[in-house]
Amino acid sequence: GNSVTQMEGPVTLSEEAFLTINCTYTATGYPSLFWYVQYPGEGLQLLLKATKADDKGSNKGFEATYRKETTSFHLEKGSVQVSDSAVYFCALSVDSGYALNFGKGTSLLVTP
Amino acid sequence: EPEVTQTPSHQVTQMGQEVILRCVPISNHLYFYWYRQILGQKVEFLVSFYNNEISEKSEIFDDQFSVERPDGSNFTLKIRSTKLEDSAMYFCASSEFDNRSFGPGTRLTVT
Repeated sequence: GNSVTQMEGPVTLSEEAFLTINCTYTATGYPSLFWYVQYPGEGLQLLLKATKADDKGSNKGFEATYRKETTSFHLEKGSVQVSDSAVYFCALSVDSGYALNFGKGTSLLVTP
Repeated sequence: EPEVTQTPSHQVTQMGQEVILRCVPISNHLYFYWYRQILGQKVEFLVSFYNNEISEKSEIFDDQFSVERPDGSNFTLKIRSTKLEDSAMYFCASSEFDNRSFGPGTRLTVT
């Protein structure tokens, strides 16, 4: 079946540190890959996505590259801010209109 | 920018009662979804809806659950006889293609 595995949190970083959150996937076919972010007390917001191998999604300084050979979609940011503190979810979908399969989420806390 | 809206933001109900959670998807979107997130756990897919019928559902979406698009704007999730384990945040989402937009969620508490 389709599934997503994320690194366990929580992750605590100092402001301006480099962030990596690992995500690997298992899927039939060629899924689209997503990162969603959930700020405290809020719903899910799409952060970035990639729809085919070697695509790089980027938004707000965050990046992730769709690596088919390693079935990975790791989230990175060069310099995190306190306002990036949130829970980050990796997800996949095998087609438009189909279920998003989410990972368990990784909680990030950035301290001043 | 258009948003998905959900009402109520918080619903408290007694075990065995029926609840209806309401969502207004983005107007030009074609696909509608319900997800839930039990506190501290991952977001789980419940059901997707397209062209006025269920297109996909998970094992969680059993006979206690139903969805409906009663008019051109609302999309509802009904739980017929709530159980304690139905306590969760329920998210509605809609999409035109790949970009699903999520609502802010309804927190359902079953006592």
